[in-house]
Amino acid sequence: DGGITQSPKYLFRKEGQNVTLSCEQNLNHDAMYWYRQDPGQGLRLIYYSQIVNDFQKGDIAEGYSVSREKKESFPLTVTSAQKNPTAFYLCASSGYDRNLNEKLFFGSGTQLSVL
Amino acid sequence: AQTVTQSQPEMSVQEAETVTLSCTYDTSESDYYLFWYKQPPSRQMILVIRQEAYKQQNATENRFSVNFQKAAKSFSLKISDSQLGDAAMYFCAYRSWGNNDMRFGAGTRLTVKP
Repeated sequence: DGGITQSPKYLFRKEGQNVTLSCEQNLNHDAMYWYRQDPGQGLRLIYYSQIVNDFQKGDIAEGYSVSREKKESFPLTVTSAQKNPTAFYLCASSGYDRNLNEKLFFGSGTQLSVL
Repeated sequence: AQTVTQSQPEMSVQEAETVTLSCTYDTSESDYYLFWYKQPPSRQMILVIRQEAYKQQNATENRFSVNFQKAAKSFSLKISDSQLGDAAMYFCAYRSWGNNDMRFGAGTRLTVKP
């Protein structure tokens, strides 16, 4: 079955450490996204990529970095410059469902916590 | 960037009754998409309904319907015959026509009372 896979489900970061969240899709979608969700709040856009080797900053890109070397993969690195990284991170890709309606397809998320 | 506003942090409804969730957005574009997503406690995001701005007819999906007022930049979600399984966070979202920039509102937490 096609879909988006995020790993790991839970991740712990030590002070001053960089960590990378994985996002892989086999839906052949061009556009991919990273969102951050804090408890009881909405989704805030970190980065999005419309095509391989291209990405744009969202509203809260500071302290994060991404790459898009392959269509299938859009990893997110949370750097030590991100002072408050504890949050739920959602990856998504944009494509068409069975009714040919465009929508976002979401992964199941990664919960990042600081030790 | 476009902004999406959900002014109701929490709403509650009695089972089998109807509830309306509000959403407004700010844009200078004439063509765009609007969405409502549901996030249950599992935190999996589920598309509820979508609307293309060029369509005058309001979208409907079973018990879910929208009231799209383009001039007022308003996109409310009506849930009829509410069920216990409808309890979740609901997010309104906006996507530009010309690019893939997609923005979400802060969400409304819906409680369904038996």
